[in-house]
Amino acid sequence: AQKVTQAQTEISVVEKEDVTLDCVYETRDTTYYLFWYKQPPSGELVFLIRRNSFDEQNEISGRYSWNFQKSTSSFNFTITASQVVDSAVYFCALSETTTGNQFYFGTGTSLTVIP
Amino acid sequence: KAGVTQTPRYLIKTRGQQVTLSCSPISGHRSVSWYQQTPGQGLQFLFEYFSETQRNKGNFPGRFSGRQFSNSRSEMNVSTLELGDSALYLCASSPGLAGGPSGELFFGEGSRLTVL
Repeated sequence: AQKVTQAQTEISVVEKEDVTLDCVYETRDTTYYLFWYKQPPSGELVFLIRRNSFDEQNEISGRYSWNFQKSTSSFNFTITASQVVDSAVYFCALSETTTGNQFYFGTGTSLTVIP
Repeated sequence: KAGVTQTPRYLIKTRGQQVTLSCSPISGHRSVSWYQQTPGQGLQFLFEYFSETQRNKGNFPGRFSGRQFSNSRSEMNVSTLELGDSALYLCASSPGLAGGPSGELFFGEGSRLTVL
C-alpha cells in the first residue's frame, strides 16, 4: 500500500495565484516525520520542511505554509502569490521510527507557474 | 559547506554491463542513503549506510549493492544491467543518529544512468 499519496499529478497556475499541494500519508507508527522537498529540473531534491508527529502547529515561511492535520493524515503545502521560480516537482515524504532513515516518497506534484 | 557530490553525472551502459556510482556526503555526515528515481516508480529507497554498515535495505534485487568507506563516502554498484535500471540515482546524506530517523536528507544532483 502506498504510504504517501499525492493525488495531484500536475497543476498549472497563473503567476500570483495561490496554490495548495495535497499530501495524505499512512503509518502505524506513533512517532514519524513528514517532509516536503522541491525538485527543480537540475534533479537535486531541495529540503523545504520537516514536521514530527507530535507537532501539529501550522508553519509559515515567507510565501510557503504547511497545514498538518493528524485527524485526516494530511500534510498540505500552500504557496501564496506563486512565482515562476516556484515551477518544479514537489514531493511529500514520510519517515517512520520503525524503519529508521528510510523515506517513503509520494509520486510528486509537478507545478507550473505561468507568467 | 560543500553539498552532496555524485559522480558521474551522466553515463550510458549496455545491457549486461555493470556500473559503479560514487557519492561524497556533506562533511561530518555519517549516514548515506541511495534512491532510484524513475518516471514509472517514482523515488524508491535502495539502501542506507551508517558508519560503514548497511543499516537498512529496500526491496531491490541482489544486483544492487553498495558500500561505505571510513570517510563516509559511498559507492553503489549495479551488476548485469537491465533496460529497466535506467534511472536517476540519487544519493542523500544526513548527520545520522544511531537507530532512528535523523532529520532531513540532503540530496545530490544524481547520476543519470541510461541502459541501452
